[in-house]
Amino acid sequence: EPEVTQTPSHQVTQMGQEVILRCVPISNHLYFYWYRQILGQKVEFLVSFYNNEISEKSEIFDDQFSVERPDGSNFTLKIRSTKLEDSAMYFCASSELLSTDTQYFGPGTRLTVL
Amino acid sequence: AQKITQTQPGMFVQEKEAVTLDCTYDTSDPSYGLFWYKQPSSGEMIFLIYQGSYDQQNATEGRYSLNFQKARKSANLVISASQLGDSAMYFCAMREGALYSSASKIIFGSGTRLSIRP
Repeated sequence: EPEVTQTPSHQVTQMGQEVILRCVPISNHLYFYWYRQILGQKVEFLVSFYNNEISEKSEIFDDQFSVERPDGSNFTLKIRSTKLEDSAMYFCASSELLSTDTQYFGPGTRLTVL
Repeated sequence: AQKITQTQPGMFVQEKEAVTLDCTYDTSDPSYGLFWYKQPSSGEMIFLIYQGSYDQQNATEGRYSLNFQKARKSANLVISASQLGDSAMYFCAMREGALYSSASKIIFGSGTRLSIRP
C-alpha cells in the first residue's frame, strides 16, 4: 500500500541553525501539507501546498518557514533559523484531489533544537 | 472557541469490550469532513475512518465505526472487540469547506488516550 515517507526520523540541531525536513508524498496525490505536534499537545496545521504554491498557511508559518517541491516526488519544509520552541514532531501529509479529501500522514520527523 | 472537543483525556477498557470515544465539533460550514486518527506510542499518525457531512450512512472500516449525529454535531468513534494493539492516542479531526476547495487544513482535537487492559 502506498504511503507517505519522511526523512530523517529524528533531527537534532543547534538553535539558530537551518534545518530541512523531507517528505515523499503518495505518488498520485496533488495536495501536500505540513503539521507539527509539540510534545503532549495538539497537532497543528502549518501549511498546505497545491500546484507548486502555498494554498493556505497558519500564523505559526512565519518568515522562518518555507516549503518547496524541488522535483516530482519530494516536498520539503525548511526552517531558516531554528528556535527552542520549534522542537516538535513534524508531520507531512498528502491527499488525492478528486475522490476523497482524506489526508494520509507520514511517520513524522522529531526535531530537537538545543 | 474550540472547533473539535474530545472530553475524555484517558480511558481504560477491558480487552474484547467495545469502546466509544467521544467527539463534538463546531462549524457553520455546511460542507465538512470528519476524521479519526490513531497515534501509537511510536508517534506516527494512522488514518482510521472518514465521514463526510453529506454522507447518509455512518462510516465503517472493519472494527471501526463512526456514530455521526449531525444535529448534535457529534462524531463518536466506536471500536468493537478491542485488542491490546488498540492502546494509543486517538484524535478526532475536522476539515471545513467544500471538497474541491483550496482550503483543506485539518483541525485536530486534543485527543483521548485509550488503554486496553488484558
